Amino acid sequence: AQTVTQSQPEMSVQEAETVTLSCTYDTSESDYYLFWYKQPPSRQMILVIRQEAYKQQNATENRFSVNFQKAAKSFSLKISDSQLGDAAMYFCSESETSGSRLTFGEGTQLTVNP
Amino acid sequence: ETGVTQSPTHLIKTRGQQVTLRCSSQSGHNTVSWYQQALGQGPQFIFQYYREEENGRGNFPPRFSGLQFPNYSSELNVNALELDDSALYLCASSLRRGGPETQYFGPGTRLLVL
Repeated sequence: AQTVTQSQPEMSVQEAETVTLSCTYDTSESDYYLFWYKQPPSRQMILVIRQEAYKQQNATENRFSVNFQKAAKSFSLKISDSQLGDAAMYFCSESETSGSRLTFGEGTQLTVNP
Repeated sequence: ETGVTQSPTHLIKTRGQQVTLRCSSQSGHNTVSWYQQALGQGPQFIFQYYREEENGRGNFPPRFSGLQFPNYSSELNVNALELDDSALYLCASSLRRGGPETQYFGPGTRLLVL
């Protein structure tokens, strides 16, 4: 069974600083997909970044980047130049085949301090 | 391009009643997945529909059922409501055509069972 673990229930960062959110997962598949989603108080789950496990290169999207360590089954999210609008609950998730069910972690609540 | 929409936004029911939640997929998408998110937790996969057929189911009892229509919109039905069914219900749509696939979420329906 897939499991996704986020060991940091809460994190805080100063505006303009950098923060890293941790995620580990467990899967028996060699091909799978990893995602970070952001859920602000409005509740809508918004895709932040996606990583295909068969790709060696770490995904980046503007200020957001990941550190994907396949052997360690680790998938951390780095947010650079943090902005007030980055404050939200962040969920790490995995799917074992493209488009199949997403398994989510418990989330990390990120606070951005002005 | 129209995003994923869900209705209603909020709903209050009493134990034992039945409820129907609705989801309109993003324009061009053919796959819909439903998730249940209890307060303070990550979303849990309920089931997925592709081309009007159920295509995977999570660990939910048969009183959770669904439909997908020819226009790819979907319904989630829950019979014999229990207090523990109180949660945010999220719908996500995606385009299945082979290759990497990303699920895009709607704003959710908040269900309260009294």
